[in-house]
Amino acid sequence: QVQLQESGPGLVKPSETLSLTCAVSGTSINYYYWTWIRQPPGKGLEWLGHFSYSEITQYNPSLERRLTFLVDTSKNYFSMHLTSVTAADTAVYYCARRKWLQETDAFDIWGQGTMVTVSS
Amino acid sequence: DIQMTQSPSSLSASVGDRVTITCRTSQTINNYLNWYHQKPGKAPKLLIFGASNLQSGVPSRFSGSGSGTHFTLTISSLQLEDFATYYCQQSFTIPHTFGQGTKLEIK
Repeated sequence: QVQLQESGPGLVKPSETLSLTCAVSGTSINYYYWTWIRQPPGKGLEWLGHFSYSEITQYNPSLERRLTFLVDTSKNYFSMHLTSVTAADTAVYYCARRKWLQETDAFDIWGQGTMVTVSS
Repeated sequence: DIQMTQSPSSLSASVGDRVTITCRTSQTINNYLNWYHQKPGKAPKLLIFGASNLQSGVPSRFSGSGSGTHFTLTISSLQLEDFATYYCQQSFTIPHTFGQGTKLEIK
């Protein structure tokens, strides 16, 4: 079955760049849209952005200046890079698959999430 | 951004109860509304997509309805495994946004 697995450093210093990867198994990364979502401790969910195999990329405007998505189709994984982090970027980061379902779309498969703390 | 407002923010109920959670949006989103639940320490799980369509593998006690700006999620007979936090999410426009969550607790 389709599985997603996030990985990255658990701790990042303020002003540095947070980089995470999401390994995809069970399907090709060349299909679907792939999404990043985060959740600060004890709070709700925030959509960060998505990209597709056809290289359509859309970011949350609130983070667009600091956020970049990259993809490695040969290894079937994708990554996100968030620059100039502050304590407000402390969160559990999830990658998820966005799938078209009966003319609408939803996040049907999620990774387990990885906690990132921004602290000196 | 489209604002998503869930009510109630928290809810206490018993096994076997019928429960309804409401999600209102700041502008019309047709039926581009999804529901998830999340248990502590776990990723969210998709329950309902397109406002009223049951995701594969989700029990039929879950149902969704609504269109435009007013949506509801109903659990017909609560089971122990349903106690979690519930989120609505719109996929009508960018940025996709989530409701603030409804925490469903055991009475």
